[in-house]
Amino acid sequence: GAVVSQHPSWVICKSGTSVKIECRSLDFQATTMFWYRQFPKQSLMLMATSNEGSKATYEQGVEKDKFLINHASLTLSTLTVTSAHPEDSSFYICSARRAGGSEEQFFGPGTRLTVL
Amino acid sequence: GQNIDQPTEMTATEGAIVQINCTYQTSGFNGLFWYQQHAGEAPTFLSYNVLDGLEEKGRFSSFLSRSKGYSYLLLKELQMKDSASYLCAVMDSNYQLIWGAGTKLIIKP
Repeated sequence: GAVVSQHPSWVICKSGTSVKIECRSLDFQATTMFWYRQFPKQSLMLMATSNEGSKATYEQGVEKDKFLINHASLTLSTLTVTSAHPEDSSFYICSARRAGGSEEQFFGPGTRLTVL
Repeated sequence: GQNIDQPTEMTATEGAIVQINCTYQTSGFNGLFWYQQHAGEAPTFLSYNVLDGLEEKGRFSSFLSRSKGYSYLLLKELQMKDSASYLCAVMDSNYQLIWGAGTKLIIKP
């Protein structure tokens, strides 16, 4: 199988602080990683698509200066929520597409962010 | 616009069969995925259909009709652990996944 990890699993922070979430593909190389946000009882909302070595492509309505994405290697992408506010509280999930593989996305376990 | 429709919630009995439908309208089509998501967890892959027809995998089967923009996920011999949300997602012409809102499946003993 293909395993994707996320760290941390959950984080509670004060309003105005920045939070970094890591997404790693443990046993495969991922040329493309995706970052999703999911509010309670809602579907996944794609925030951005991250390709290794290039700038992320953000979905409409997602502030790239607030949600910084870095995909520095074929196994690691990071999402930094800058100056977090309570409305940023959500479940953040990353997924990865295997290099040279099918279109299937392998999901990380998610990170629950609570901003006080 | 792009749209994925699936029922919000369904209830079924342990041991029975349930069919979860999904209809879609997208710009292009490069396959349809079904994912299972338990509360508070990330989605897990169930199936992928890109050609018309039925794909069977154990207790779960998925059907696709591209001409009708329609798919269903069939779950047999339901178990309590099958209580979860089931997400339908379509990959469009840009290879982006368009997600449905999910169907919450409640299994009763």
